[in-house]
Amino acid sequence: DAGVIQSPRHEVTEMGQEVTLRCKPISGHNSLFWYRQTMMRGLELLIYFNNNVPIDDSGMPEDRFSAKMPNASFSTLKIQPSEPRDSAVYFCASSYGSVNEKLFFGSGTQLSVL
Amino acid sequence: SQQGEEDPQALSIQEGENATMNCSYKTSINNLQWYRQNSGRGLVHLILIRSNEREKHSGRLRVTLDTSKKSSSLLITASRAADTASYFCAPGASASKIIFGSGTRLSIRP
Repeated sequence: DAGVIQSPRHEVTEMGQEVTLRCKPISGHNSLFWYRQTMMRGLELLIYFNNNVPIDDSGMPEDRFSAKMPNASFSTLKIQPSEPRDSAVYFCASSYGSVNEKLFFGSGTQLSVL
Repeated sequence: SQQGEEDPQALSIQEGENATMNCSYKTSINNLQWYRQNSGRGLVHLILIRSNEREKHSGRLRVTLDTSKKSSSLLITASRAADTASYFCAPGASASKIIFGSGTRLSIRP
């Protein structure tokens, strides 16, 4: 298996633009997580899905952020409009079984909002 | 959900020495995991220890768990330059999401 695949690897955009980050989890995994990492705040859990259903989105910073999982093999995290403070590395992770089982992380998307 | 607290925040040792990192948590858990993150990369799962286990080994890694003290330790023996990374613990309670702390930044000096 290729592991968790995220795209793009790097994204540079201007403030106010829409940004869409993509994730393909490992086949057969039933939970998917979106994390954000910055130097100031560390690793933050934004949202997680179980069987394609959003279970907990309490970490989503504000209404500008939205996430979808239309099927078991694809998820998106959208920021609209983007702001410079959204600059971070965004990680997607997937797991099989209960919500606190072993996580497999993607390589992340480095987002820079100018 | 709960977050583990790693200690120390940073650790610098000579190559070949052993490195020990600690993790404390606050409430009952089902398991505890350790992850490694190399600079610019995603986290990589190292080891999972369940609440009914006291010690687990994987290669040069040894993890201990003391549920009475709500603490865990990760020992890396015979450290190598490639072990330079940040290490995170993740205590897992029933049906509870994984929250990461600030981690321990390990530097191996040649």
